[in-house]
Amino acid sequence: DIVLTQSPGSLSLSPGERATLSCRASQSVSSSYLAWYQQKPGQPPRLLMYGASSRATGIPDRFSGSGSGTDFTLTISRLEPEDFAVYYCQHYGTSTGTFGRGTKVEIK
Amino acid sequence: EVQLVESGGGLVQPGGSLRLSCAASGFTFGAYWMNWVRQAPGKGLEWVANIRQDGSEKYYVDSVKGRFTISRDNAENSMYLQMNNLRAEDTALYYCARGYLTLLRDWGQGTLVTVSS
Repeated sequence: DIVLTQSPGSLSLSPGERATLSCRASQSVSSSYLAWYQQKPGQPPRLLMYGASSRATGIPDRFSGSGSGTDFTLTISRLEPEDFAVYYCQHYGTSTGTFGRGTKVEIK
Repeated sequence: EVQLVESGGGLVQPGGSLRLSCAASGFTFGAYWMNWVRQAPGKGLEWVANIRQDGSEKYYVDSVKGRFTISRDNAENSMYLQMNNLRAEDTALYYCARGYLTLLRDWGQGTLVTVSS
């Protein structure tokens, strides 16, 4: 089974700064079946990105995703107050939905 | 508006059983794969199981195989998770989610399952 390792575990940044989150897979992720989710306290997760680099409906363009194979990145170009949350990457497919352990983006 | 409402959670003793339900509305239920995802208190997300549109394919995470059974009733716009032989490590908030395979576009608010004596 593919294991997803997210780094860093937490990130302390100020509003307006750039956030770069990493997700590394233990083996190549086929067809870039890699997604990112955002979760705020007390809320269910929200889909941000799929196919590694496609934004989900309604996601602002300050969010971008990149990568292929085993190395993927979620970038938030300029952090807004509502972006402070936990972010999870996920390898999705027919019979797998493995998540990484998450990166918490905190206000500095 | 897509709505997914989970129910059936509660406190159960180790070895016990629970049946979770997910009531769906606002979309053509029978056209989507449906999933269960759980989150232990203060922990990350764990995909649990999914079921194909017509129920012909079902998949599970290894830790629940043989104990949990996913099912759906398209006429009732509902999905279920029968959980048997529950363990302390099954304690979590269980989310119902719809999407493409295990790509999860819409989520419910979750129902809490606590396994404790």
